[in-house]
Amino acid sequence: SQQGEEDPQALSIQEGENATMNCSYKTSINNLQWYRQNSGRGLVHLILIRSNEREKHSGRLRVTLDTSKKSSSLLITASRAADTASYFCATDARGGGSEKLVFGKGTKLTVNP
Amino acid sequence: KAGVTQTPRYLIKTRGQQVTLSCSPISGHRSVSWYQQTPGQGLQFLFEYFSETQRNKGNFPGRFSGRQFSNSRSEMNVSTLELGDSALYLCASSLRPGVDYGYTFGSGTRLTVV
Repeated sequence: SQQGEEDPQALSIQEGENATMNCSYKTSINNLQWYRQNSGRGLVHLILIRSNEREKHSGRLRVTLDTSKKSSSLLITASRAADTASYFCATDARGGGSEKLVFGKGTKLTVNP
Repeated sequence: KAGVTQTPRYLIKTRGQQVTLSCSPISGHRSVSWYQQTPGQGLQFLFEYFSETQRNKGNFPGRFSGRQFSNSRSEMNVSTLELGDSALYLCASSLRPGVDYGYTFGSGTRLTVV
């Protein structure tokens, strides 16, 4: 089963606007990562936030993490048409001697020029 | 430096056949993970290799297997292909094993089973 669930499933905005995507997860985590995927291509790592961090910035990206609510948000400021992609959150799942990244279903972002 | 290279990019196979996909990680990266992406199930973890050893395995049938070579290159094999195996197979490399660091993904191999 998916650990992370992104919301909304799809988002359409105009260039220059901000885009906010949310991710909720079910079990405790050590870190949460955000990835971007352009249509049918590989994933690009955007940012990793650890469980003891509340906020992290990278360029036009701002990620927050609320472990008490088991949720994270990704904010893209001043969006560009090139930001059009699917965005996934991934959490670390550990148990039974195994560990892996568990991805949500993603938010499909369309930025209209 | 070169990114993660996956070959081939596209593949069409017939039910019952087997297929081998290849992944060359970033130079110096010794950990390779494989994921399957389908519209219905999303991204699902297949396995992770580090120093030629399988560290972790996802919940896939035994038809899915993999290995890693001494140069860190990895291959995954799917035998007795089924229609449901049609997917984008993504390989990811990282400097260290585990899930505490970001992964660098390849562009994937799109497998179509007919």
